[in-house]
Parts: sequence; C-alpha cells; structure tokens
Amino acid sequence: ETGVTQTPRHLVMGMTNKKSLKCEQHLGHNAMYWYKQSAKKPLELMFVYNFKEQTENNSVPSRFSPECPNSSHLFLHLHTLQPEDSALYLCASGPGQGTSGNTIYFGEGSWLTVV
Amino acid sequence: AQSVAQPEDQVNVAEGNPLTVKCTYSVSGNPYLFWYVQYPNRGLQFLLKYITGDNLVKGSYGFEAEFNKSQTSFHLKKPSALVSDSALYFCAVRDSRRDDKIIFGKGTRLHILP
Repeated sequence: ETGVTQTPRHLVMGMTNKKSLKCEQHLGHNAMYWYKQSAKKPLELMFVYNFKEQTENNSVPSRFSPECPNSSHLFLHLHTLQPEDSALYLCASGPGQGTSGNTIYFGEGSWLTVV
Repeated sequence: AQSVAQPEDQVNVAEGNPLTVKCTYSVSGNPYLFWYVQYPNRGLQFLLKYITGDNLVKGSYGFEAEFNKSQTSFHLKKPSALVSDSALYFCAVRDSRRDDKIIFGKGTRLHILP
C-alpha cells in the first residue's frame, strides 16, 4: 500500500475511444503528478498540479486531458489516442510547492494499450 | 540545468556480494537527492533521500547511499545483495527552480545472480 491508488491497473482501448485514468492519494499531499513510462525511454513528466491548479504541462498533446477536482484526486482523460501512446502511466503525489526535501510517492501505475 | 546521470544501463552482481549503482548529478545550489526502485509491473518506490547532514544516508531494504559533494555523486550501495533486489533503480534530484519537481535519471537495471 503506497497511499496512492490508481485505477484501472490495465486498460485496452481503441484509437477512437474515450477513457479515463483515475488516481487518488491518501497522504494529505497538495501536489499531484502524471508521468509516462515507455519502454526504453526515460520517465516523462506530463502534468503537475498544486492545490488543484495546473502548474506544469510538459508539452503534452491535447488528446491527454488532465483534471484535478481536489487535492486528493487526479484524472487523465484519454481521447483519440495513438498506438505510440501505449505505456505505463504513473500517478504521484507530494507535499507541493513551498516545501523542502520534497519526496513524491507513486501509485502502482495504469498499463495502457492502444489498439 | 539540473540533471542526473546514471552511467550504467545494467549492473550484474552475484548474490551475497556488495552492490553499487552509480549516480552523478548537476544542480545549482544545494542538491536534494533521491533513490527510487521499481520492481516488475509496479510503480516507483521511494528508497532514501539526502537533504543535508551525514553524507551516508540509510534507507529501506538495507540500502544506503553516499553523498560526495566533490565528485557530485550519490551512489546507491548495499553490503550484501539479494536476488530479490533485482529491479530498476532511479536516481533523482530536486529541481532547484521548482521545489515540487523531481528530475529522474534514465534508470539502471540491477540483476542479482543466484
């Protein structure tokens, strides 16, 4: 149990589908993150939210749409994805801006396959 | 610019031998350094971090890391490797421009041979 829960753990979707990934943290943190992990590529930061406000969008295509309704929940809405978007999507949470020694904690990830 | 380098894609160690996974960093200001581990089909787990104080930091599962300012290194070590230590290890540094961002290395795959 990491304190960060991601659902679903596995998702297969067609290129015309709309689906969402969900993340929930029980650590009382103020920041939440989406990372993408592809085979043989470095870990890619996608989005950062602090106190529900988006503070980083790392040039992510608009077919990925994040939503952060409160500090405990984070969604990644997926629409018209491409096969190259197949990857492990990791959610993380952390204390947020204005804290020192910031440690972020990850969920178990959602394996996405686009067919 | 802040960065971390993990020079080895893979490290092989015999069970029971000491292990070292290398990491060097480049930051402006004081470095805040981290190690994470990823077991197969799992997310990243926090192992340990250095903020200030003793250069030798102890973490989970018997791992420790040595901060060396002159060599800008933060190598991960364990005195006696277990087969269950086989995993992907990530070194990371806090972005000095954004205290909520952590920059990860590309990872080193550790194989412990029985």
